[in-house]
Order: sequence, then structure tokens, then C-alpha cells
Amino acid sequence: AQSVTQPDIHITVSEGASLELRCNYSYGATPYLFWYVQSPGQGLQLLLKYFSGDTLVQGIKGFEAEFKRSQSSFNLRKPSVHWSDAAEYFCAVGAIGGSNYKLTFGKGTLLTVNP
Amino acid sequence: NAGVMQNPRHLVRRRGQEARLRCSPMKGHSHVYWYRQLPEEGLKFMVYLQKENIIDESGMPKERFSAEFPKEGPSILRIQQVVRGDSAAYFCASSPTGAEQFFGPGTRLTVL
Repeated sequence: AQSVTQPDIHITVSEGASLELRCNYSYGATPYLFWYVQSPGQGLQLLLKYFSGDTLVQGIKGFEAEFKRSQSSFNLRKPSVHWSDAAEYFCAVGAIGGSNYKLTFGKGTLLTVNP
Repeated sequence: NAGVMQNPRHLVRRRGQEARLRCSPMKGHSHVYWYRQLPEEGLKFMVYLQKENIIDESGMPKERFSAEFPKEGPSILRIQQVVRGDSAAYFCASSPTGAEQFFGPGTRLTVL
């Protein structure tokens, strides 16, 4: 069975600083990987996804993630954080069965941005 | 194109009552997923449906929970005889192909 680990429960950065959120996955085949962001009381918004091809994936809001098969990682990065990036971030792996892409999520990383 | 709609946004039930959660997928989307988010936890897959068919319900509790996605109308997640442990946020996601999933705002269920 697939699993996702997000080692950092809570990260605090200063506005303008760089950001890296870690994600490690376990999956028996080529994974489909996703990063979602959730603001308080809201649903999840897709930031970016990796299905195949270039291992460096660009997403919305200036985020990017790099798929490293040898490390089973899919870390999320942003060069300069904005106060509006404060939210909870979830990494997910998709288990593919036909058209069924059910997602397994990590427990999330809460990002606080200091002014 | 409106996003995924869920209603109600907040639902309060007493133990033993029934809870009905509705999800209207985005236009043109025929794949619906339901996930549950417990406090301090990530989302857990519950069920995957296509129009009129349950494809995968491996994440659904065996009793009291059911889901449907009729030919017409929203997808419904039904919880009978709710207990306090059912208190959670329930999210629906829709997809045109099954792959990229678009999430609704969720229904926050509180069981008193």
C-alpha cells in the first residue's frame, strides 16, 4: 500500500525567505504525485502535479517541486515566500487503477509566515 | 464554470441521527471522490464513483456509510446513526478523467 510522509508538522519562515517543504512517498510503481494547499476552513487547491517527464515541475503561485526517484521524494519549493502563502500544505500520491486515481495524503505541513 | 459545490457547509447532528452530504461536481465531470479529514490528520480516501456506479469503496466504513452518484443530481454521502467519531470535514472532489481532482469546500460535520 502507498504512503506519504511529511516530516515537518509546522514550519515558520520570514516573508521573502525561501521555502522547502519535504515529502517522501512509498509506492510500488511509478507514482503520480501532487501538492495541494488548504487555507483555514477551505477546500484544497492543486498547486502542481507530476505524472511523467521532466522531474522539475512548475506550479501556480510561483511554486515548484522536484521528483527524485532515488530518494522517493517530491519536495515543494518557493524562492521567496509571501504572507499570503500561510496555509497548510499536503503532499499526495495517486494510486492508479484504471481510471481510479484515489489519493493518499500526508498529514500536512502548516506554514506560518512572519512579517 | 462553477467549481465543485458542497452543501451544507456545516452540519450539526445529534447521535443517532442521519447525515446527508451533497456534492455537485464541476460541469462535464463524471468522476467523484469522497475524502474524510479528521482533526490533525490528512485526508483519507473513502469512495470513488462514476455516474450510477460505485467503482471503489475500499475506504468506506462497512456499516452506516453509503454513497451514490445518480444519473441526475448530486452525489450523496449518507451516514446513518451518526456517532461522535463521525465528526470530521468531508470533502468531495470531481474529475473529468479520474486523474486531476478538483476539490469542493467541504462539509464540516459535528455530532453532538
